[in-house]
Amino acid sequence: GAGVSQSPSNKVTEKGKDVELRCDPISGHTALYWYRQSLGQGLEFLIYFQGNSAPDKSGLPSDRFSAERTGGSVSTLTIQRTQQEDSAVYLCASSTGGTDTIYFGEGSWLTVV
Amino acid sequence: GDSVTQMEGPVTLSEEAFLTINCTYTATGYPSLFWYVQYPGEGLQLLLKATKADDKGSNKGFEATYRKETTSFHLEKGSVQVSDSAVYFCALRSGAGSYQLTFGKGTKLSVIP
Repeated sequence: GAGVSQSPSNKVTEKGKDVELRCDPISGHTALYWYRQSLGQGLEFLIYFQGNSAPDKSGLPSDRFSAERTGGSVSTLTIQRTQQEDSAVYLCASSTGGTDTIYFGEGSWLTVV
Repeated sequence: GDSVTQMEGPVTLSEEAFLTINCTYTATGYPSLFWYVQYPGEGLQLLLKATKADDKGSNKGFEATYRKETTSFHLEKGSVQVSDSAVYFCALRSGAGSYQLTFGKGTKLSVIP
């Protein structure tokens, strides 16, 4: 597609359940990012993938969070044993290279009840 | 570490009023500076950017000038429209190949007819 595609757009889950959020970056973009947008907290960097290099996971808030990127394209962010504080909008973004303009998807709104 | 501070909202203006949203930053090296906009129900979009001191970014009537001496990148528009109602985020990316964006907390703008 023309832009970064994310699914689901909205997800309501029960506390303790696992969730998976999917991101399909712009075709040809080698760099992929996950950010979290919490109410009143701005945007928080989670993880960065660049080509076949080891990802930068320095922003993941706990070991309940993980992400993978298959075939250098689609990425999945997994949150295990969700907690209420995980409720946020999870934004995926991509770029042609690490320092080029970053394009964002519309986000996946996660609500943990 | 890097940080971005922007004026807290919400900001409410009448149509055709002059807009300024202040943004200051702290960064190592020579960062690139960005303004992103998030319209209701949509993802983040790049509004404008500047990559070196004294550069002026502009788009859709918005402008911002990279002021190294005051470490600022204030967003301005001479005459706002109702369609400009959105949340505006100032962001930076440190120089020397850095790939992460560091965001401010966002400023919500509401323009009333």
